[in-house]
Amino acid sequence: SQQGEEDPQALSIQEGENATMNCSYKTSINNLQWYRQNSGRGLVHLILIRSNEREKHSGRLRVTLDTSKKSSSLLITASRAADTASYFCATDTSGSRLTFGEGTQLTVNP
Amino acid sequence: GAGVSQSPRYKVAKRGQDVALRCDPISGHVSLFWYQQALGQGPEFLTYFQNEAQLDKSGLPSDRFFAERPEGSVSTLKIQRTQQEDSAVYLCASSLWRRVGETQYFGPGTRLLVL
Repeated sequence: SQQGEEDPQALSIQEGENATMNCSYKTSINNLQWYRQNSGRGLVHLILIRSNEREKHSGRLRVTLDTSKKSSSLLITASRAADTASYFCATDTSGSRLTFGEGTQLTVNP
Repeated sequence: GAGVSQSPRYKVAKRGQDVALRCDPISGHVSLFWYQQALGQGPEFLTYFQNEAQLDKSGLPSDRFFAERPEGSVSTLKIQRTQQEDSAVYLCASSLWRRVGETQYFGPGTRLLVL
C-alpha cells in the first residue's frame, strides 16, 4: 500500500520558474527521501532528510519536513527542461523497505 | 559494473507462462530489493535480501511470486502462471549495507506485459 500522497499529481511550469511538490505520509518515519524518474528509466535518488531535520538543501533542491503534520515539500528552483520527470517521495520506517507515494509528474516547458 | 542492471528490459508473456527477471546489483552491495511499479503509480515493495538471506518477503502479492539470491549477488524474481494483473515494471535496487538512511540505487527496470 502507498504510504505517501503527493500533490499536485501533475505540474506544468515554464523554464526558470520554481516548482514545489508536496508529500504527506501516515506513520512515523526514520527519514524521507525524494527520487526522480525519467520516462522509462529507473529511479534516481535526489535527497534524504532525517526525521530530526527540518530543512535540507542540495544544489537547486530544497526539502522541508514537518513531522508534526507528517508532510514534506520539495522545491526545485530555476527549473530547466531537463527537470521534466516524475518525482516521488519515499519514507523509510524500518531501515530496509521504502514506501513510495504516487508521484508528481513535472513538465518544464522551454 | 557502474550501476544496477536488469534483464530483460522488456518481456511479453502469454497468460499462464512463467517468467524470470534478473537483477545484477552493484558489486559489493549487501542489500537487494525488488519493487513492482504499476503504470502511473509509485513503486511498491516486494522483497528484500541481505546477502543470500531473504529477510522480508511480505510484499510479494501471491505464492506465484518467488525471489532468490543464492550466492548473495545476482537475484532472480520468478513469476509463475503469469496473470494480466502482473503487468508492471519490476525494479531492482541495491544498497551497500542495511542501515537506516542508506541510499538505494535502482536499476532501469524490466517492463512486463502479460497478454
